[in-house]
Amino acid sequence: DAGVTQSPTHLIKTRGQHVTLRCSPISGHKSVSWYQQVLGQGPQFIFQYYEKEERGRGNFPDRFSARQFPNYSSELNVNALLLGDSALYLCASSLGYGNTIYFGEGSWLTVV
Amino acid sequence: GENVGLHLPTLSVQEGDNSIINCAYSNSASDYFIWYKQESGKGPQFIIDIRSNMDKRQGQRVTVLLNKTVKHLSLQIAATQPGDSAVYFCAETLIQGAQKLVFGQGTRLTINP
Repeated sequence: DAGVTQSPTHLIKTRGQHVTLRCSPISGHKSVSWYQQVLGQGPQFIFQYYEKEERGRGNFPDRFSARQFPNYSSELNVNALLLGDSALYLCASSLGYGNTIYFGEGSWLTVV
Repeated sequence: GENVGLHLPTLSVQEGDNSIINCAYSNSASDYFIWYKQESGKGPQFIIDIRSNMDKRQGQRVTVLLNKTVKHLSLQIAATQPGDSAVYFCAETLIQGAQKLVFGQGTRLTINP
């Protein structure tokens, strides 16, 4: 079975641009979460969606937004990119609360 | 704060020895804990988890111990192999509510031949 899949794997953007990152959860998983991992640190929680509704939001500015589609895939959008947004963006999925949370390989975003 | 801290940022062990990676968590309300392994350039890989109603759980070559009294978590890896070289993170969360994992900085495990 396929794990959590993310696209693109790598991308380079210019300051001020917008980026959309995509995630497909493990089949049957209804919960999708997004994390930002800066080099040398642990992942930081951005959003969680369950059954297409936002269920949690981390301490990130409004430039960050996300949504979950009827097929449970998800998009993370970041507007007005800053150099500090350069990071590995991770998507995680699970069956729901109290179940194991699995991560994808991430999308490496570089802002120049 | 909401940080899950790790006592040691780096750990170096001999191949074949047992490794113990420690973690201190800060939220006494956390009831679900997970250990992840992250190899260079990859996403975190699930290793083992434990709920707060348990104090020990074993997997294949790995054991997680939970001490709620002192808010301490440890990961024991038996007969460490070169493929175990990675950064290990512990994470804490609440089963009910948003699935917000709180990670620490991680411990880099290096295996010496």
